[in-house]
Amino acid sequence: SQTIHQWPATLVQPVGSPLSLECTVEGTSNPNLYWYRQAAGRGLQLLFYSVGIGQISSEVPQNLSASRPQDRQFILSSKKLLLSDSGFYLCAWSLGLPNTEAFFGQGTRLTVV
Amino acid sequence: QKEVEQNSGPLSVPEGAIASLNCTYSDRGSQSFFWYRQYSGKSPELIMFIYSNGDKEDGRFTAQLNKASQYVSLLIRDSQPSDSATYLCAASRNNAGNMLTFGGGTRLMVKP
Repeated sequence: SQTIHQWPATLVQPVGSPLSLECTVEGTSNPNLYWYRQAAGRGLQLLFYSVGIGQISSEVPQNLSASRPQDRQFILSSKKLLLSDSGFYLCAWSLGLPNTEAFFGQGTRLTVV
Repeated sequence: QKEVEQNSGPLSVPEGAIASLNCTYSDRGSQSFFWYRQYSGKSPELIMFIYSNGDKEDGRFTAQLNKASQYVSLLIRDSQPSDSATYLCAASRNNAGNMLTFGGGTRLMVKP
């Protein structure tokens, strides 16, 4: 069966510090990978998605970047965090086929102080 | 302009009642629709998806889709306190990225 791992679960970082969140998927090959952010009490905003190694599409211009160095690894980064980067970050994967759902990791709650 | 809209709630129903959650979407290219449940502080879990007009039932849950009206709904029969959560509606165009666009979610409270 497929599993998705995302870490860390919680993170408190000072303004201006770098960020690296990692997500890995097991049990499937060539998945579509996604990074979403959820502000408190709000819906999910798609930040990045990837349909293959090295292929990153950005949905929202921001202080963040993403990379996919391996087939089942997706990394969200920032060189300098802003207060507005605080939120609940969710990695997800899907088969990339029509009418297929996305499966989410446990999420990372990031607080920038 | 938000592409998927939901009433934020809270929607309060008594235990055993039917909870009706609604969602509208603006992108006529959307082809698949998903309902996720999210407990506070947790990640979303898929309840069910639908892509054909009409009803789709799975246990206590029924999803309804009306593409002409651009309307999706989720009915929860025999609501339980454990159903209290935020319900997220999502739409997908089934294009290359197959991304899901989410609504803001409806908070459901089931009172014993």
